Amino acid sequence: ETGVTQSPTHLIKTRGQQVTLRCSSQSGHNTVSWYQQALGQGPQFIFQYYREEENGRGNFPPRFSGLQFPNYSSELNVNALELDDSALYLCASSEGPGRADTQYFGPGTRLTVL
Amino acid sequence: DAKTTQPPSMDCAEGRAANLPCNHSTISGNEYVYWYRQIHSQGPQYIIHGLKNNETNEMASLIITEDRKSSTLILPHATLRDTAVYYCIVRVDGGTSYGKLTFGQGTILTVHP
Repeated sequence: ETGVTQSPTHLIKTRGQQVTLRCSSQSGHNTVSWYQQALGQGPQFIFQYYREEENGRGNFPPRFSGLQFPNYSSELNVNALELDDSALYLCASSEGPGRADTQYFGPGTRLTVL
Repeated sequence: DAKTTQPPSMDCAEGRAANLPCNHSTISGNEYVYWYRQIHSQGPQYIIHGLKNNETNEMASLIITEDRKSSTLILPHATLRDTAVYYCIVRVDGGTSYGKLTFGQGTILTVHP
């Protein structure tokens, strides 16, 4: 059984560019949640995808968007990158979207915006 | 959201039990307590969770007080590889049937030789 995987591992972009991060969920999991972790802080919830639709969203602007595909993998897209978007981006998959469904995290993608 | 309070840092000697406390005095009756840990720059690792009863797995034990206002994560025999940031999280029901994780600052556990 493979765990949650993310790509790429590291990424460097310049301000104003757009970026796409990818996440493959663990086998048997249909829900993907995305988090942003700034240096020295705990992860912050961005949004969750369940059955290919956004199922909940944290306090992030619309330039943060996502997709979930029929195989339950997911993408996080960030438009008009800002310096403050530099962070570790984490995805987590779970068997379902509810509060009793344990989320398992991938290794993260380190995004640096110059 | 039920807020959690954890000490910012703790030390433990290798081979000894590490007891990490967490206060969650505003927890609701149907909210779970989850523990994750994060080793530097890696994704958080799930450790254990519970609702009312004490729980044990191959990694740790979770002791929840009877009034559910606090809990303790116990690593029975800490090793150097257990050095990490430990997060105690009360699982929030977002009202639309989704369960996000709200991370605080966590406890930095340092295991010494």
